[in-house]
Amino acid sequence: SQKIEQNSEALNIQEGKTATLTCNYTNYSPAYLQWYRQDPGRGPVFLLLIRENEKEKRKERLKVTFDTTLKQSLFHITASQPADSATYLCAPGYSSASKIIFGSGTRLSIRP
Amino acid sequence: DTEVTQTPKHLVMGMTNKKSLKCEQHMGHRAMYWYKQKAKKPPELMFVYSYEKLSINESVPSRFSPECPNSSLLNLHLHALQPEDSALYLCASSQVPSGASSTDTQYFGPGTRLTVL
Repeated sequence: SQKIEQNSEALNIQEGKTATLTCNYTNYSPAYLQWYRQDPGRGPVFLLLIRENEKEKRKERLKVTFDTTLKQSLFHITASQPADSATYLCAPGYSSASKIIFGSGTRLSIRP
Repeated sequence: DTEVTQTPKHLVMGMTNKKSLKCEQHMGHRAMYWYKQKAKKPPELMFVYSYEKLSINESVPSRFSPECPNSSLLNLHLHALQPEDSALYLCASSQVPSGASSTDTQYFGPGTRLTVL
């Protein structure tokens, strides 16, 4: 069956360091992979999308990689700040379907 | 306008009540979604509407009844709910994927916090 796993339920790092979150999927061949941020009691907010033919995508302090051989995406936040503390969700996607299945999420805490 | 609005923000209802959740978007999206989210879990898909027609029902109990009156509005009618239905209910919208380069990036509302007593 299809499975999406995010490396850890919670990740605590020091402000200024790079946070790296992992998303692994099995029994999927997604055309792209999306990352969302969710703050407590709020809806997820779209951050980045990376397509299967792209190795890396950047947006300000965010970087996403996509390795279709390893079936893995890495999400990096450089120069992390306490305001980056949130839950981050990955979601593989297909161009022909309107159905997102989210990974379990990683709760990131950045301590000052 | 990239906003999805949901009303009410909070709802407390008894098991015999009938209530409705409302969602609205003006981004021209023709796909709209309802999700249920329990604490410390990811959002779980309930329903998908595509061009105002129900395209996906993830085996949701009939006490939840969705409705899409037009391309901007999505309702979720609630009747005879159980305490375990208490959760954050999220609405989202997206373009309808069509073609190799299209995506279903979703825009979420703030959610309705539902408590069933």
